[in-house]
Amino acid sequence: EAGVAQSPRYKIIEKRQSVAFWCNPISGHATLYWYQQILGQGPKLLIQFQNNGVVDDSQLPKDRFSAERLKGVDSTLKIQPAKLEDSAVYLCASSLSTVGDEQYFGPGTRLTVT
Amino acid sequence: AQSVTQPDIHITVSEGASLELRCNYSYGATPYLFWYVQSPGQGLQLLLKYFSGDTLVQGIKGFEAEFKRSQSSFNLRKPSVHWSDAAEYFCADFGNEKLTFGTGTRLTIIP
Repeated sequence: EAGVAQSPRYKIIEKRQSVAFWCNPISGHATLYWYQQILGQGPKLLIQFQNNGVVDDSQLPKDRFSAERLKGVDSTLKIQPAKLEDSAVYLCASSLSTVGDEQYFGPGTRLTVT
Repeated sequence: AQSVTQPDIHITVSEGASLELRCNYSYGATPYLFWYVQSPGQGLQLLLKYFSGDTLVQGIKGFEAEFKRSQSSFNLRKPSVHWSDAAEYFCADFGNEKLTFGTGTRLTIIP
């Protein structure tokens, strides 16, 4: 079974530029999550999709971050404009459903904002 | 609000020695608790989880964890560590249908 795929693996941008990350979840997984992991901290949930609908985006900085999951499969997370404090690893995860199911994580995208 | 505390930022143990990583939670009458491991450059992998039932949970790679409600703890243990266990370990609590992670414990193994 293929795991959660993410690209790119690394990205370096200057502040005020925009960036987009892509995630392909495990086939058949209805729920998709985006996490932000700042160095030295645990992952923090940014947004959760159930199929192509948003379940929870309470911790997403909506003035600069946006995410979509068209057709309930792939997802993209965008930052525009980026700030220095956005430097982090962005993890995508997926699960069969929401309630307590194991979340399978991708390898992450390491973003450096200079 | 739910929170998960991992008091130890960094632990060093000798190969072959026993290991215990601490985790305390503060949410819910029936917590759903997880331990994940993150190796450098990789995503998180689930080691084990506790929902209910037997308070001693067995996981992959020889790890186990014990849920103690009286102490609000869910400590991870392994009787004999291997060099390949060097990684970052995260405890997490599933409350409000959301995983909340602790800050992690980095494990270093010395020969």
